[in-house]
Amino acid sequence: GAVVSQHPSRVICKSGTSVKIECRSLDFQATTMFWYRQFPKQSLMLMATSNEGSKATYEQGVEKDKFLINHASLTLSTLTVTSAHPEDSSFYICSASGPRDPDTQYFGPGTRLTVL
Amino acid sequence: QKEVEQNSGPLSVPEGAIASLNCTYSDRGSQSFFWYRQYSGKSPELIMFIYSNGDKEDGRFTAQLNKASQYVSLLIRDSQPSDSATYLCAVNMLIYNQGGKLIFGQGTELSVKP
Repeated sequence: GAVVSQHPSRVICKSGTSVKIECRSLDFQATTMFWYRQFPKQSLMLMATSNEGSKATYEQGVEKDKFLINHASLTLSTLTVTSAHPEDSSFYICSASGPRDPDTQYFGPGTRLTVL
Repeated sequence: QKEVEQNSGPLSVPEGAIASLNCTYSDRGSQSFFWYRQYSGKSPELIMFIYSNGDKEDGRFTAQLNKASQYVSLLIRDSQPSDSATYLCAVNMLIYNQGGKLIFGQGTELSVKP
């Protein structure tokens, strides 16, 4: 149980384009989903927290107009990186928690974004 | 002071030995503690969680929590080369008006030598 998928696993795009990443909870209803970013040799940095049906809460320093988060259902959240630039190249990972154990987060496999 | 601190390592142990990974945290009110394993290029995988003081065992893994000392550890018995990875300590902290969120340590790199 507690399986989270992400799509795509890897994406390469040109500077200035937008990229959408999907995060799905496959076998449980995710009341809360989280989006993290991880640069090489660094730990995970929380970007935003989203609850189904409400606006995401962004961490300090994360531009909400650049990183658009939608959590339209209990099994799907999307992160759209708008007007991507090379400095946005990173490993983006989502996680999800459910009502039975809201403190425990299960991570998706991650999406490696490369912006040329 | 960082909210969650780990020794970055690398920690090197021979195969079959016990690996001991340590973590301290700053928020005395934290109630939930997690250990994740992350292989290079992969996302974190939950190994264990612990909520109460004392030890919690699951197979070759034992998590230990001491809330008075604000200290949580992970012991890996009979270490295998496949245990070589970065181990992330995470503490759930309650943030006013935001609910709980995981704060991660920087991770300890473990290398198990055959």
